[in-house]
Amino acid sequence: DVKVTQSSRYLVKRTGEKVFLECVQDMDHENMFWYRQDPGLGLRLIYFSYDVKMKEKGDIPEGYSVSREKKERFSLILESASTNQTSMYLCASSLPQQALKAFFGQGTRLTVV
Amino acid sequence: DAKTTQPNSMESNEEEPVHLPCNHSTISGTDYIHWYRQLPSQGPEYVIHGLTSNVNNRMASLAIAEDRKSSTLILHRATLRDAAVYYCIPSQTGANNLFFGTGTRLTVIP
Repeated sequence: DVKVTQSSRYLVKRTGEKVFLECVQDMDHENMFWYRQDPGLGLRLIYFSYDVKMKEKGDIPEGYSVSREKKERFSLILESASTNQTSMYLCASSLPQQALKAFFGQGTRLTVV
Repeated sequence: DAKTTQPNSMESNEEEPVHLPCNHSTISGTDYIHWYRQLPSQGPEYVIHGLTSNVNNRMASLAIAEDRKSSTLILHRATLRDAAVYYCIPSQTGANNLFFGTGTRLTVIP
């Protein structure tokens, strides 16, 4: 089975901290995605990457950056965490010809205090 | 992207069939219809997708209206493990983004 693993299920960080969320997939997928999920707003795409060192902005990239140095790993970086970034963060991966058949990790619930 | 309308919630008895409807009246001719579900405390999980014809897989069946303005996800025998939020997502071929709405929360009653 495809496995997408996010490094933490729960994180609590302070305002202004630099936060790293890590995601690893084991199926050699080219595409990787970061979403955030908030009640009443559904999932919103932050960034995606279709190859190593490539990245594209999603719908809400402000306050975030990403890094993809290796194919299996896609990191989301909150440069200076703020309370409005408290959310559930979901990582996903897919094959390039099946971008809409994505495999998701279990999510990281981040609380910024 | 096409706008979708799904009921906020539905209930089903265990081991009975469940029909989850979705209206997507603004769908374009090349949009596929994807269904995902999200179990409690989990990330979303792909269920099924189709374009025009009805589709079956081990998880569910997808019935697509002839005019493609609506579709129905069918769980043939609901189990307690099917309790989840189900999302209907029309998406363009080649799109890189899945637009999840608020979905239908399915409760399965033992």
